[in-house]
Amino acid sequence: QSALTQPSSVSGSPGQSITISCTGTTDNVGAYNYLSWYQQPPGKAPKVIIFHVNERPSGISNRFSGSKSGNTASLTISDLQAEDEADYYCSSYTRSDTYVFGSGTKVIVL
Amino acid sequence: QEQLQQWGAEFLKPSETLSLTCGAYGESFSPGYWSWIRQPPGRGLEWIGQKYRSGTTSYSPSLRSRVTMSLDTSKNQFSLQLTSVTVADTAVYYCASHCSGGYCYYGMQVWGQGTTVTVSS
Repeated sequence: QSALTQPSSVSGSPGQSITISCTGTTDNVGAYNYLSWYQQPPGKAPKVIIFHVNERPSGISNRFSGSKSGNTASLTISDLQAEDEADYYCSSYTRSDTYVFGSGTKVIVL
Repeated sequence: QEQLQQWGAEFLKPSETLSLTCGAYGESFSPGYWSWIRQPPGRGLEWIGQKYRSGTTSYSPSLRSRVTMSLDTSKNQFSLQLTSVTVADTAVYYCASHCSGGYCYYGMQVWGQGTTVTVSS
């Protein structure tokens, strides 16, 4: 199964908002509202920041928000901060009872 | 606090079998839904497979012929075996629980620290 499509990098200045897209197909992103986003700082394990399209786990800042339209999901980071610099991955449950990850996006804080 | 700790052999030769175990620790933390994920050096995340407490298992189509996952509910441990490894299987391997706080979701909620596995002759 092919990886979901994400931009390779997105950049922004502190205080700005940025949006990362995640595009799949009707077999994954478009099939269910089971889309998650993970933040991975360099050399560390990933951490879930959004699940089920727009749910935030306890302790995750409300600066992170998610949405979905058709086969494309989006992660928005508001009030961008230096600590947000990391790799971000989307992941979707699929009609085949499997998961597929996105190609990953490096967020650069200018 | 809910934690996953992983262990297993970190250096393998081609054709050997990769074997990793992941344990869940924390008060009342007994996940019923687990996944293994890997990340080759400098690359993105790749889902390997999942297992439910019920025994139902699902694997990535590209690895299905070589993967076995098992769950020991009495020990709260989840294991991965990958046979006939090659250099292409060199990666950081992560276990993950889809459950946290007594609820389970379609997304990996708690991650292990990762185990770097290197395959080389």
